[in-house]
Amino acid sequence: DAKTTQPPSMDCAEGRAANLPCNHSTISGNEYVYWYRQIHSQGPQYIIHGLKNNETNEMASLIITEDRKSSTLILPHATLRDTAVYYCIVTLNNAGNMLTFGGGTRLMVKP
Amino acid sequence: DAGVIQSPRHEVTEMGQEVTLRCKPISGHDYLFWYRQTMMRGLELLIYFNNNVPIDDSGMPEDRFSAKMPNASFSTLKIQPSEPRDSAVYFCASSPSWSTGNQPQHFGDGTRLSIL
Repeated sequence: DAKTTQPPSMDCAEGRAANLPCNHSTISGNEYVYWYRQIHSQGPQYIIHGLKNNETNEMASLIITEDRKSSTLILPHATLRDTAVYYCIVTLNNAGNMLTFGGGTRLMVKP
Repeated sequence: DAGVIQSPRHEVTEMGQEVTLRCKPISGHDYLFWYRQTMMRGLELLIYFNNNVPIDDSGMPEDRFSAKMPNASFSTLKIQPSEPRDSAVYFCASSPSWSTGNQPQHFGDGTRLSIL
């Protein structure tokens, strides 16, 4: 699996958009970008994933650059409950392929 | 819709004792994963099953660790004998077959294990 690089921490004001970047310059053509988050004392929670096109669901939007070497997770209106560690993972879109979690980005949403 | 259920939520035991962690995956999911999380090493995959068969156990740290999946609705992770360095949060996750399309892993809330 391709390695990912994320900033270790970020702050965001409540109600504002949180933009979390991820670099994955060695991604291969058949690898997907997945985002999970982990709120304190809970298991990781799936947020969104994509291959080439931008994706949006009820939780977030995922913007993938045209060369696929980087992506941005967008939480459009961050709330205090969005405070968590966010993990960007690159993997084949196969349920049997393991997820390799890096250090993630610790997002702190402040009032 | 019940999620992945793990038990116990917390376990404190003395070094040398046998520890058994339990997991009930989401009904209909074909894949089951065991992870371990520590401050030093983060989240690590230990082993995963497909249709109750172990597929990759390369992440299991040593022979003291064993995992079984006797049926589609139950799995155990056993540590015997336990050591203080095994203290961690252990997560179980499950996912459906890739053929059903979007198939993220769904995680339980973990078992916090402390070996004294």
